[in-house]
Amino acid sequence: AQSVAQPEDQVNVAEGNPLTVKCTYSVSGNPYLFWYVQYPNRGLQFLLKYITGDNLVKGSYGFEAEFNKSQTSFHLKKPSALVSDSALYFCAVRASSNTGKLIFGQGTTLQVKP
Amino acid sequence: GAGVSQSPSNKVTEKGKDVELRCDPISGHTALYWYRQSLGQGLEFLIYFQGNSAPDKSGLPSDRFSAERTGGSVSTLTIQRTQQEDSAVYLCASRPWTSGRDTQYFGPGTRLTVL
Repeated sequence: AQSVAQPEDQVNVAEGNPLTVKCTYSVSGNPYLFWYVQYPNRGLQFLLKYITGDNLVKGSYGFEAEFNKSQTSFHLKKPSALVSDSALYFCAVRASSNTGKLIFGQGTTLQVKP
Repeated sequence: GAGVSQSPSNKVTEKGKDVELRCDPISGHTALYWYRQSLGQGLEFLIYFQGNSAPDKSGLPSDRFSAERTGGSVSTLTIQRTQQEDSAVYLCASRPWTSGRDTQYFGPGTRLTVL
């Protein structure tokens, strides 16, 4: 079965420090992986995706993610966190079906403190 | 350009009533999805439309849920005889149909509260 796991419900980091939000996946075939961010009372905003190519993917707002096939992981990173990065982050994998539906992790709340 | 829009943004209804939620996808996007975000279940797929093909309804939780897409554009999700467990945020997403690699873009959602 295809699945995505985000092992941390919440990540706390001080402003200016690097941040990592973890994601592991299980999917048959080559994975298409996505990160979305959700601010309070808003929809999901696309951050970045991995389809193929370089394992380090750069996205919006200074975020990047590293695809690691051997560890089946796709962790989200940012070198220097901002208070405004505080939000709910979702990792997702495209299901191996014709629909292209996304299978989401449970989400990780990122709290950046000044 | 305009993104995915959804209406209403909030809907409060009484148990047993029917509700309709609307989604306007990005112009030119032929694929449209409905997802549900709830506290207990996280984000789950409900239904998928692609052009004139038969929709994939495999995620609909019960026969009280239905959806249609008229003219390949606007979609309506209908919940009949609402129950309290239907309370959730209903998200719509669209993407172009050039390949499975395309990104899904989400609307702001409709928050449904069933009293």
